Amino acid sequence: GAVVSQHPSRVICKSGTSVKIECRSLDFQATTMFWYRQFPKKSLMLMATSNEGSKATYEQGVEKDKFLINHASLTLSTLTVTSAHPEDSSFYICSATPGQGGDTQYFGPGTRLTVL
Amino acid sequence: QKEVEQNSGPLSVPEGAIASLNCTYSDRGSQSFFWYRQYSGKSPELIMFIYSNGDKEDGRFTAQLNKASQYVSLLIRDSQPSDSATYLCAVNMWGDSNYQLIWGAGTKLIIKP
Repeated sequence: GAVVSQHPSRVICKSGTSVKIECRSLDFQATTMFWYRQFPKKSLMLMATSNEGSKATYEQGVEKDKFLINHASLTLSTLTVTSAHPEDSSFYICSATPGQGGDTQYFGPGTRLTVL
Repeated sequence: QKEVEQNSGPLSVPEGAIASLNCTYSDRGSQSFFWYRQYSGKSPELIMFIYSNGDKEDGRFTAQLNKASQYVSLLIRDSQPSDSATYLCAVNMWGDSNYQLIWGAGTKLIIKP
């Protein structure tokens, strides 16, 4: 149980384009979903927290207009990287919890984004 | 300041020995504590969680919690090369308006055959 999928697993795009990443909880309803990014050999960095049907809460320093998050249902959240640039290249990971923000998080397999 | 601290390592342990990973946290009111394992290039996966003081065992893994001293540890018995990974400690803490998981930077563990 507690499976989270993420799609795509890997994406390469040109600078200036937008990329959408989907995160789905397959066998539970996710009250809260989280989006992280991780640079090579670095720590997880929380980007934003989203609750179904409400606006995402972004961490300090994360541009909400660049990283658009939509949590349309209890099983689906999307992250859109708009006007991507090479410095946005990173490993993006979502997680989901059936509880609240401080409860167990179940991670998706991650999406590796490369912006040329 | 909400903080979770881990030694970044690498911690090198011979195969078959016990690996001991430690984590300290700043919020005395924290209630839930989690250990995740992350292999290189992969996402974190939950190993176990602990809520109460004392030990909690799951197979070769034992989590130990000491709330008075504000530390939580993970012991891995009979370490295997496949245990080589980065181990992340996460602690729930009260934020501005709700609880949130605060992550340590992780300890890199290397099991030497």
